[in-house]
Amino acid sequence: AQKITQTQPGMFVQEKEAVTLDCTYDTSDQSYGLFWYKQPSSGEMIFLIYQGSYDEQNATEGRYSLNFQKARKSANLVISASQLGDSAMYFCAMREDSNYQLIWGAGTKLIIKP
Amino acid sequence: AAGVIQSPRHLIKEKRETATLKCYPIPRHDTVYWYQQGPGQDPQFLISFYEKMQSDKGSIPDRFSAQQFSDYHSELNMSSLELGDSALYFCASSLPPREKLFFGSGTQLSVL
Repeated sequence: AQKITQTQPGMFVQEKEAVTLDCTYDTSDQSYGLFWYKQPSSGEMIFLIYQGSYDEQNATEGRYSLNFQKARKSANLVISASQLGDSAMYFCAMREDSNYQLIWGAGTKLIIKP
Repeated sequence: AAGVIQSPRHLIKEKRETATLKCYPIPRHDTVYWYQQGPGQDPQFLISFYEKMQSDKGSIPDRFSAQQFSDYHSELNMSSLELGDSALYFCASSLPPREKLFFGSGTQLSVL
C-alpha cells in the first residue's frame, strides 16, 4: 500500500495565485515527520518545509506553509503568491521515527503560467 | 551556508565498469543518506550511515557498497555497472532531531 499519496500528477497555475499541493500519508507510528521538497529541472532536491507529528501549529517557511490535518493524515503544501520560479516537481515525503528512511510520494509537476 | 557537496556532478561509464561517488555532508551533520532517482521516478533509498556506521539499508544492490569515513564524508562504490544503474544519485545529510534532511545537487550517472 502507498504510504505517501500525491494525487495531482501535474498542475497549471497562474502567476501570483496561491497553490495547494495535496499529500496524504499512511502510518501506524505515533512519531513521524513530513517533508516537502522542490526539484527544479536542473535536478537538485531543495528542502522546503518540515512538520513533526507532535507539532501543534502548522509549519511555515516564507511563502510556504504546510496545512497539517493529523486526523485526516494529510499534509498539503500551500504556496502563496506563486512565481514563475516555482515551476518544478514537488515531492512530499515522510520519515517514521522508527527508521532513517524517507518515504516519497510520486511527486506533482507544478507549472506556473505568466 | 555550507551545503552537501557531491562529486562528480556528471559521470559517464560503460557497462561492467566501476564508479565511485563522493559526498561531503554539511559540517557537524552526523548522518548521511544515499538515494537513487531514475528518470521520472521518486528517489529510492539506498543506504544510510550514522556516526560512520551503517544505520539503515534500503534497495541497494549487492554490486554497490558504501562507507562513511572518519571525516564524515561518504563514498558510494558501484561495480559491474548495468544500463539500469543510469540515474541521479543523491546524498543527503542531517543532524538530530533530523527535522531537516538536506540534499546535495546529485551525481548524474549515465551507463552506456
